Amino acid sequence: QKEVEQNSGPLSVPEGAIASLNCTYSDRGSQSFFWYRQYSGKSPELIMSIYSNGDKEDGRFTAQLNKASQYVSLLIRDSQPSDSATYLCAPRRGGGNKLTFGTGTQLKVEL
Amino acid sequence: DVKVTQSSRYLVKRTGEKVFLECVQDMDHENMFWYRQDPGLGLRLIYFSYDVKMKEKGDIPEGYSVSREKKERFSLILESASTNQTSMYLCASTTPEGHQPQHFGDGTRLSIL
Repeated sequence: QKEVEQNSGPLSVPEGAIASLNCTYSDRGSQSFFWYRQYSGKSPELIMSIYSNGDKEDGRFTAQLNKASQYVSLLIRDSQPSDSATYLCAPRRGGGNKLTFGTGTQLKVEL
Repeated sequence: DVKVTQSSRYLVKRTGEKVFLECVQDMDHENMFWYRQDPGLGLRLIYFSYDVKMKEKGDIPEGYSVSREKKERFSLILESASTNQTSMYLCASTTPEGHQPQHFGDGTRLSIL
């Protein structure tokens, strides 16, 4: 079992729709979770972080965390073509704010 | 804003060469990281440093070494480059406290011929 599992996609959604990106993790000790967006050929940039069970909203983005199910998700409302990218899920592991990265889900927002 | 600067955006080297990749951050972060990213494999941690002169092996340290002589600078060294080290290399930094994210540099695309 991989430490962090994401559906590689591509996930295609029409412009204006809600995109739902999912992630499961194996380390029950993980306490912090980060979502990064990565455009092709670019480096990852932070989108959202979440530490507590439940939902956290920031603009068009909502992160959801369920520690009991070891599941974290990212919802993108009113999807735009500029949201087309690969989204990386990264639970914190151990000390020093080390992260374990999933291989990412490719999102395509179609006009 | 946090600024993490990697010395080269693209680099081409030959098999057997000693290669240095440099990373500098301007936020006085204690923790710095080197990753490589390959298609289908995601980001994999090569080495981690939690303070000056302190280092810890990551998940794939073989063939690499690191140097952290100053807090702001973290160098990745390929002692004798091989073709299987052709990859995108990413440097990141963060503080150790709380739930802090890592901030990434722009990456170095390294080709070993």
